Amino acid sequence: GQQLNQSPQSMFIQEGEDVSMNCTSSSIFNTWLWYKQDPGEGPVLLIALYKAGELTSNGRLTAQFGITRKDSFLNISASIPSDVGIYFCAGRRGNEKLTFGTGTRLTIIP
Amino acid sequence: GAVVSQHPSRVICKSGTSVKIECRSLDFQATTMFWYRQFPKQSLMLMATSNEGSKATYEQGVEKDKFLINHASLTLSTLTVTSAHPEDSSFYICSAIPLFQGSYEQYFGPGTRLTVT
Repeated sequence: GQQLNQSPQSMFIQEGEDVSMNCTSSSIFNTWLWYKQDPGEGPVLLIALYKAGELTSNGRLTAQFGITRKDSFLNISASIPSDVGIYFCAGRRGNEKLTFGTGTRLTIIP
Repeated sequence: GAVVSQHPSRVICKSGTSVKIECRSLDFQATTMFWYRQFPKQSLMLMATSNEGSKATYEQGVEKDKFLINHASLTLSTLTVTSAHPEDSSFYICSAIPLFQGSYEQYFGPGTRLTVT
């Protein structure tokens, strides 16, 4: 099935650094979602975006719904060890099924 | 709220046997549940959409006779992998959409790791 392009594929950062990742699609979505998955667990919803241009925060996380509706961005400020994991974007048109991104694996270097 | 559980969390079975995985919404009702499959270091791939009281809708390439889905109640969907083979070894994750919500977001279970020997 279709997948969204997510970049970067992996990131190695030091604790305290800010993180940016993005997700792009060749087609328009009405909803963009960002999930985090820890090893051996299911994804947990971080942020949901419903309007083009929308900027939403959840603690140190901020996500934006791209104005073209074909992309979305996630930023994490002042990273901490528990931010380690895989971040997935997901897009949806109307009430259709979710299309997931390829994932960004975040690793914090001690 | 909106907690989804899966049972078992891990299962090892022999090739040729069948294994059933349960997905339960613990504190809400869900008319729609989804089953995903995830291989190591890959994204989630939707296998099927399970609707309470009706037949599941399978994604292209997913064998409905091999992956039997039963959504018998508003809080339970089951996935049975029949005649399992080693290539069926994977991480299976379900999700559910709460009936009460105005939004349409999926809440995911913790996943079931299936190993076929």
